[in-house]
Amino acid sequence: GDSVTQMEGPVTLSEEAFLTINCTYTATGYPSLFWYVQYPGEGLQLLLKATKADDKGSNKGFEATYRKETTSFHLEKGSVQVSDSAVYFCALSGGNNDMRFGAGTRLTVKP
Amino acid sequence: EAEVAQSPRYKITEKSQAVAFWCDPISGHATLYWYRQILGQGPELLVQFQDESVVDDSQLPKDRFSAERLKGVDSTLKIQPAELGDSAMYLCASSPRGGGGRETQYFGPGTRLLVL
Repeated sequence: GDSVTQMEGPVTLSEEAFLTINCTYTATGYPSLFWYVQYPGEGLQLLLKATKADDKGSNKGFEATYRKETTSFHLEKGSVQVSDSAVYFCALSGGNNDMRFGAGTRLTVKP
Repeated sequence: EAEVAQSPRYKITEKSQAVAFWCDPISGHATLYWYRQILGQGPELLVQFQDESVVDDSQLPKDRFSAERLKGVDSTLKIQPAELGDSAMYLCASSPRGGGGRETQYFGPGTRLLVL
C-alpha cells in the first residue's frame, strides 16, 4: 500500500541555519503530497502541499518540490528561527482521500 | 478563518470507563476523519465519513470503539471500555467534497486522552 518515509529525528539546528528534512514516498497513481507541522499540544497545521509532479509548494519560507523521478518531497528552509521548533510530518493522499503520514521529525532550533 | 472544533481538549479516565469525543468540522465539509496519534508517531486513520456514511472503518477496533455522524455534520467517537493502551491524541479532520480524492485535510486541536 501507499506509504511515506521521512528522516528520523530529532534535528537540532542553530538559528539561521539551513534546514532539510527528507521525505520519500511509495504510491500507486499520482497522489498529492503534503507537509504538516505540529506544535506542542496542538493539532496538525498544513504547511504546504503539491498536487502534481514538479509542483513546488511554499509557505512561511519553507519549500518542497514534488519529484516523481525520485519519489521525494523534501522540506527545505534557508534560515530557520526558534519559532520553527515543532514536529514536521510528510504525508500523501491518494484517490480515496486516504492520507498516510510519516513518523514525524522533531526540529529544535536554538538561539 | 474556519476551523475544526474538538472537545474536550484533555480527558483523564480510568480503565474500563467510557469516554466520548466530539468534533465539529469546517462548515460545508462533507468528509470527516478521526485519527489516533500515539506519542512520537504519525496519525493513523480510525474512521472516515462521507456525509453521514462510513467510508472506511477498517482500522477501527470495533469491539470497543464506535463513531457516528448522524446528520452528516458533527461527529462523536466513543470508547467503551477504555484500556491503558488507548492513551493517545485523538485528532479530527475534515475536507471538502471533491472527486478523485487527494484533498487537503484540515485538523482540529485534538483531544489528549490519558487512561489510568
